[in-house]
Order: sequence, then structure tokens, then C-alpha cells
Amino acid sequence: SQQGEEDPQALSIQEGENATMNCSYKTSINNLQWYRQNSGRGLVHLILIRSNEREKHSGRLRVTLDTSKKSSSLLITASRAADTASYFCATDAMNTGFQKLVFGTGTRLLVSP
Amino acid sequence: NAGVTQTPKFQVLKTGQSMTLQCAQDMNHEYMSWYRQDPGMGLRLIHYSVGAGITDQGEVPNGYNVSRSTTEDFPLRLLSAAPSQTSVYFCASSPRGLAGARYLTDTQYFGPGTRLTVL
Repeated sequence: SQQGEEDPQALSIQEGENATMNCSYKTSINNLQWYRQNSGRGLVHLILIRSNEREKHSGRLRVTLDTSKKSSSLLITASRAADTASYFCATDAMNTGFQKLVFGTGTRLLVSP
Repeated sequence: NAGVTQTPKFQVLKTGQSMTLQCAQDMNHEYMSWYRQDPGMGLRLIHYSVGAGITDQGEVPNGYNVSRSTTEDFPLRLLSAAPSQTSVYFCASSPRGLAGARYLTDTQYFGPGTRLTVL
């Protein structure tokens, strides 16, 4: 089944640095979403980018989408310790009748003070 | 709004027991789904519903049943618990369901999760 694959699996940075996470997927999509999960909690939606969009911003977050390469990236600028979490991409495949949201395995981000 | 609520938060079962995980949302969302999260596996879709009376299987449906009699509630039933069902279960809802001839997913709102252990 289609699945987003995040890269890297884990990322460790210092406060103030930028963090970049990548997501690759296999088939054509309607949209791609990024979620954050703090340890032991449910997922929180960060940003949704549609297949006809190339870039989207939300506060310190910047998401890009390259449908020709079937990939997306999430950039967190000026990271903070509170950004420590796991980040997941989720894709919504086209032309499958019922549209199902499929999650990747996530990137664990650690931001040290 | 309470958002998406799940009960219980923790549960321990013995192999062969059955139980129902409850999920409710008060946002009048059409789309609801159940996921399980295992270490290193990400989230996997179990079952989903695009509206009251309509359910379908996801990636890992075996051993689970769902029904959607109301917009608000989407319970997940474990028929005969097995150790392989030890996991964290998340319910999610979305404001987007039927859109013309296609069902489109949109922002998912997640519940806090149920941690299930099957001995």
C-alpha cells in the first residue's frame, strides 16, 4: 500500500537551528499533510498542502511539495526545545474510490537547549 | 467543544477477551477513522467511516469491527483479543467527507489515544 517515508528517522539539533524533514511517497496524491506528536499524546495537525500547491507557510513552518519527485519537505526555522516531538507526513491517494489517509513512520526531532 | 474523546485511556485484557474502545466527537465531522500505532511502524489505518451508516476497511482490519450509527460515535470492537493487538489506538475525525463524486480527506483531529495491552 502507498506510504509516506520520512527521512531522517531521527534528528538532533540545538535551539535556534533549523530542522528539515523529508517525506517521499509512491503514488499520485490529492494532498499531503504534516502532523506532530508529542510523547504519549495524539497527533496534532500542522499543515496541509494540496497537489496543485508547491509551497506553504505557517508561522515557523515551511512545507514544500514536488509532485514530480513525489516528495515533500517540512522546515522548522529557529527551533525551540518545545519543538521536540515526532513528525509524520500523511498522504491521501488519488483515484482509489474511498480516499484513505496513510501515514509514514515519522521523524523523531530532539531540540536541545 | 471537547473535540475527539476516547475511553478508556488504558486497558489490559487477557487473550480471548472482547472489548469496545469508545470514540466520540462533537464537531459534527462526517469522516472518522481508527488507527493503531506500534513502535517503528507509524500509524496504520484499521477502519474508517465517511458518514453515519457507512464504514470500510483500512490497512489492518482483521480482528476489529466498527459501526457508525450516529455522526458523533465510532466505536471499535475487538472480537477476541490477541497479544498482537497490543498497541496504542487513536481515533480521528475530519470535517470532510463526501465531496461530489469523490471522498476527500482533510485535516484530521485526533483523540488522546487508548493504550491497550493484551496478555
